[in-house]
Amino acid sequence: KQEVTQIPAALSVPEGENLVLNCSFTDSAIYNLQWFRQDPGKGLTSLLLIQSSQREQTSGRLNASLDKSSGRSTLYIAASQPGDSATYLCASGGATNKLIFGTGTLLAVQP
Amino acid sequence: GAGVSQTPSNKVTEKGKYVELRCDPISGHTALYWYRQSLGQGPEFLIYFQGTGAADDSGLPNDRFFAVRPEGSVSTLKIQRTERGDSAVYLCASSLGLYGDTQYFGPGTRLTVL
Repeated sequence: KQEVTQIPAALSVPEGENLVLNCSFTDSAIYNLQWFRQDPGKGLTSLLLIQSSQREQTSGRLNASLDKSSGRSTLYIAASQPGDSATYLCASGGATNKLIFGTGTLLAVQP
Repeated sequence: GAGVSQTPSNKVTEKGKYVELRCDPISGHTALYWYRQSLGQGPEFLIYFQGTGAADDSGLPNDRFFAVRPEGSVSTLKIQRTERGDSAVYLCASSLGLYGDTQYFGPGTRLTVL
C-alpha cells in the first residue's frame, strides 16, 4: 500500500529565501507525482505534474524533481514571497489515476 | 473558463440524516474524482468515474457512501445515516480522462455532522 510522507510538517522562512519541500513515497511503481497548493478554506491548485519517465518540471519560480528509485520528490521554491504562504501537498498517481496524498507542509513566508 | 464547482459550500446536518453533495466538473472532462479531507490531513481518495461508470470505488469507507454520475457530467455523492466521523471537507476533481493527467479541484463542501 502506497504511503506518502512530507517533511517538514511546517516551515517558516523570511521573504526572499530559497527553500525545498520534501516528499517521499514507499512504492516506486508510480505513474506520476503531483504537487498542489492549498490556501486556507480553499480547494487544491495544481502546481506541477511529473510523469514517471521525467526527472523534473519547472514553472516560474517552482522546480519539482522526481527520483523514483529512492522514492523521493522535492519542490524547490526560489526567491520566496509572502504570497507563497500556503499548505503544499504532494500526491502520487497510480494505475487507476487515483491520487495518494501526503499530509502537507504548511509554509509561512515572513515579510 | 469555469472551474469545478461544488454545492453546497457548507452543510450542517444531524447524526442519522441523509445528505447529498453535488459536483459540476469542467466541461469536457470525462474523469471525475471524489476525495475527503479531514482537518490536518491530506485528501483521501473515495471514488473515480470515467464517464458514467465508477472505475474505482475502493476508497468508499462503507456502504453508507454512494456516488452517481448518470449522464457523465454532474456527480452526486450520497451519504446515508450520517455519523459524526463523516465530518470533513469533501473535494471533487475532474480531468480530461487521459492517463496520468492533471486533476483540477473544486473548492469543496464542508460537511458537519452534529
